[in-house]
Amino acid sequence: NAGVTQTPKFRVLKTGQSMTLLCAQDMNHEYMYWYRQDPGMGLRLIHYSVGEGTTAKGEVPDGYNVSRLKKQNFLLGLESAAPSQTSVYFCASSNTQPQHFGDGTRLSIL
Amino acid sequence: AQSVTQLDSHVSVSEGTPVLLRCNYSSSYSPSLFWYVQHPNKGLQLLLKYTSAATLVKGINGFEAEFKKSETSFHLTKPSAHMSDAAEYFCVVSEDTASKLTFGTGTRLQVTL
Repeated sequence: NAGVTQTPKFRVLKTGQSMTLLCAQDMNHEYMYWYRQDPGMGLRLIHYSVGEGTTAKGEVPDGYNVSRLKKQNFLLGLESAAPSQTSVYFCASSNTQPQHFGDGTRLSIL
Repeated sequence: AQSVTQLDSHVSVSEGTPVLLRCNYSSSYSPSLFWYVQHPNKGLQLLLKYTSAATLVKGINGFEAEFKKSETSFHLTKPSAHMSDAAEYFCVVSEDTASKLTFGTGTRLQVTL
């Protein structure tokens, strides 16, 4: 049972490039979330989904897009990467509480 | 709106001594409260949760927390620290039906010999 799997684990981008982070969960959870973690700021919610085909904005959604075409997958996209998006990104899933987290994707934008 | 304040950004204890990590919360409703732990370069692991049952909550690895509504606090304690407890700890609140979480800024626990 893998739980929440994030792909890739590390990535370096140049400013202006685009990429997609993939989150997959095998627990049949309805809710999925994307967070970013920056030093001294805890985790902040970017976007979330309460079910297949639905998405909603979180606390810091600007510069990101998401899609939930399949229940088990939640994709986070950066259309034009900026240095301010250098961060560690975490995906989580749940039905009710608690949320289950992946191991994170470390993303650097040069 | 919900919010969480972790009162210490860094706590250092000696191995075998008690641990106290402090957390105050603000919530308009009856919240759910959690403590998560993050070891270096790892994801977040749930230590314990409070969801309006018993006010003293026991978690994994000997940790426990007490919900005090009058003080709006949810402090994390452990009687005896172990070297493996060195990590970042996050206090988290949720009052939302979509289960959205609000994180504190974290407390880094250092355990020395």
